[in-house]
Amino acid sequence: DIQMTQSPSTLSASVGDRVTITCRASQNIDYWLAWYQQKPGKAPKVLIQKASNLENGVPSRFSGSGSGTEFTLTISNLQSDDLATYYCQQYENYPITFGQGTRLGIK
Amino acid sequence: EVQLVESGGDLVQPGGSLILSCVASGFTFDNYAIIWVRLAPGKGPEWVSSINGGGDETNYPDSVRGRFTVSRDNSKNTVYLQMDSLRAEDTAVYSCTKSDCGSGGCKLIDYWGQGTLVTVSS
Repeated sequence: DIQMTQSPSTLSASVGDRVTITCRASQNIDYWLAWYQQKPGKAPKVLIQKASNLENGVPSRFSGSGSGTEFTLTISNLQSDDLATYYCQQYENYPITFGQGTRLGIK
Repeated sequence: EVQLVESGGDLVQPGGSLILSCVASGFTFDNYAIIWVRLAPGKGPEWVSSINGGGDETNYPDSVRGRFTVSRDNSKNTVYLQMDSLRAEDTAVYSCTKSDCGSGGCKLIDYWGQGTLVTVSS
């Protein structure tokens, strides 16, 4: 199975900050990686697929990069609305696996 | 608007069974694979099952294979998850999700339901 390791597990930042979340895969997954945002009390929403492709309607302050085994989600100019838990997911192979999540708080 | 509404979650004793349902709307149902994912407190999401658009191809992780069965009724836009021999570690919120394509190999999720809570406890 491909293990997905996210860091950090929790993060607190101020409005306007640039935030980076890392996801590492235990083996090569090319660019078959998605990022999801789950706001409190809501269902997760896909932000990015194929490592760097922004979904329609997602603010441009979100960006993804990486390939192979190391990936990053960057939020530029952090907004209070970005308070959420963020998950990565590999979809290169079965079993589908997710990172354990990064809880982002706003200072 | 894509909507996925789960139901059937409940408190069940270890060894018991439960059937979850997911009613979908807002897209051509039989064109897309449906993936069940569960989320337990303090843990990341865990993939539970997948079924292709036609309903003839399913996939499961080792943790539930042989205990869980996914099926779909395309005439009712509904997917079912039959869960047998339930264990305490199956306790989680179970979410029905839509994949971005229809085959059994489709593994990218583009929409999630809110989920239904399954608690396995005596």
